Amino acid sequence: SAVISQKPSRDICQRGTSLTIQCQVDSQVTMMFWYRQQPGQSLTLIATANQGSEATYESGFVIDKFPISRPNLTFSTLTVSNMSPEDSSIYLCSVEVHGLAGGGDTQYFGPGTRLTVL
Amino acid sequence: GENVEQHPSTLSVQEGDSAVIKCTYSDSASNYFPWYKQELGKRPQLIIDIRSNVGEKKDQRIAVTLNKTAKHFSLHITETQPEDSAVYFCAASTLGAQKLVFGQGTRLTINP
Repeated sequence: SAVISQKPSRDICQRGTSLTIQCQVDSQVTMMFWYRQQPGQSLTLIATANQGSEATYESGFVIDKFPISRPNLTFSTLTVSNMSPEDSSIYLCSVEVHGLAGGGDTQYFGPGTRLTVL
Repeated sequence: GENVEQHPSTLSVQEGDSAVIKCTYSDSASNYFPWYKQELGKRPQLIIDIRSNVGEKKDQRIAVTLNKTAKHFSLHITETQPEDSAVYFCAASTLGAQKLVFGQGTRLTINP
C-alpha cells in the first residue's frame, strides 16, 4: 500500500476565493488522481495527474476551475478556484500502486479535504 | 463511457447473517472491479478487488463474484459483525486500477 496525506484536512472558505489542496505520498508513484465526493454521494473522478505532463480532466471538469500541479512523483496539488457553495465537498487524492510479485495494481485514497464554501 | 449501477442503496441485516451488494456495469471492456468500504468521516478503504480473468475471489468473510457475460459483480459478506456497518462502493475501470467509475454506494447497517 501507500501512506497518503492531505492538507488541509478541512477548511471553510468564502465564495469567490480559491483553495489549494496538497497531497503527499510516501513513495514514488506515476499516477495520482483527484476525486470529488459531494455530501452523501459517491466519488467522481475530477482528473488524472501524471508526473511530467498536463493533467487529464474528466467530462464536466475544466482546468480553469480545478488547476492541478504534479511537480514530482510524490506530490500533487489541486486548486479549487473562484469557489461557490456548490463546490462544498470532500476532495480526495488517490494513487495507483503497482502490485508486487505479479499482483495487480490497486488504487489507495488519501484522507480527504472537507471543504465548506459560504 | 462506463456507467456503474449499485443496489441496494441501503441494506440492514442482523448480526451473523450474510449481506450481498450487487453492481452492474455498461462497458464490456472493463477489466478491474474493486470494492471500497467507507466509514463515516473516513477515507474509502479497498477491501477486495477482482480482475476480469477471474470469476470469484475470497478473503476471509468477504467474497466477490464476477459475471462478465451479464456484466455484473457482487460483494458477499458472511457472518456480519457490527464493525461491518459502513457505506460500500463498487467501481469499474477499463484501464486497470486507473479511471475508476464508482457506483452510488450502499449503506450497510448491522443490527446487534
